[in-house]
Amino acid sequence: EDKVVQSPLSLVVHEGDTVTLNCSYEVTNFRSLLWYKQEKKAPTFLFMLTSSGIEKKSGRLSSILDKKELSSILNITATQTGDSAIYLCAVEGGSSNTGKLIFGQGTTLQVKP
Amino acid sequence: DTEVTQTPKHLVMGMTNKKSLKCEQHMGHRAMYWYKQKAKKPPELMFVYSYEKLSINESVPSRFSPECPNSSLLNLHLHALQPEDSALYLCASSQWTGTGSSYEQYFGPGTRLTVT
Repeated sequence: EDKVVQSPLSLVVHEGDTVTLNCSYEVTNFRSLLWYKQEKKAPTFLFMLTSSGIEKKSGRLSSILDKKELSSILNITATQTGDSAIYLCAVEGGSSNTGKLIFGQGTTLQVKP
Repeated sequence: DTEVTQTPKHLVMGMTNKKSLKCEQHMGHRAMYWYKQKAKKPPELMFVYSYEKLSINESVPSRFSPECPNSSLLNLHLHALQPEDSALYLCASSQWTGTGSSYEQYFGPGTRLTVT
C-alpha cells in the first residue's frame, strides 16, 4: 500500500529558530513530491520536487528530494509567527497516471514570539 | 492568477436534503479534483476529472455525485448524507498530468459542510 509519513507530527519553536521537517514515502510509480502549507483553510502550494539532489528555494523556505532514501526535507530558517501552520507533504504516484496525491499526516508547526 | 474558488463557504444540511458544492477555476487547467478533509487529518482524494471526464472515483459512496459541466466548473451533488460526512470539502485543479509530467495542484478555500 502506498504511504507517506511525516515527522515530527508537531513542533514548537521560537521566532528565529531554524526547523527541518521530514517526509518519507513508499509509493509505486513515483512522479513528484509536493509540499503545501495549510493554515485555516486551503493548502497553499510551496514546492514540487521531481529530481533528486536539486534544492528548491523560496525566501526562507527550501526543500530537497532524495530519491535513493525515498525522502524529502523542508527547511525553514529564521522562523516567524506567520510560519505557524500545518505543513503537508504529498506524493504523486500510484498505478494510474491521473495526478492522484497521497498525503502524509502533516506536521503542525507552532512558532512562539 | 492561481485562484480556485468554491461556494458556498459553509453549508449546513439535514440528512434528507439535496445540495450542491461548486468549484471554479480560470487557469485553463484540464484536471480537477475533489478532496475530503476531516479535522486534524490530511486531505483524502474523492474524484478526479480530466478533460471533463471522470478518471478516478476512490470508491466514494453514491450519495456523493460529481459533475463537470465544462472545463472551468466542477460540482459535487450531495444527497442523503450522514453526519459522518461532515468535513471540509476541497476542490483543486492542475494542468493535465496524463502526459507523464507532474504539475502542482492548486486548492480552493473549501466548503465546510455540517450534516445534522
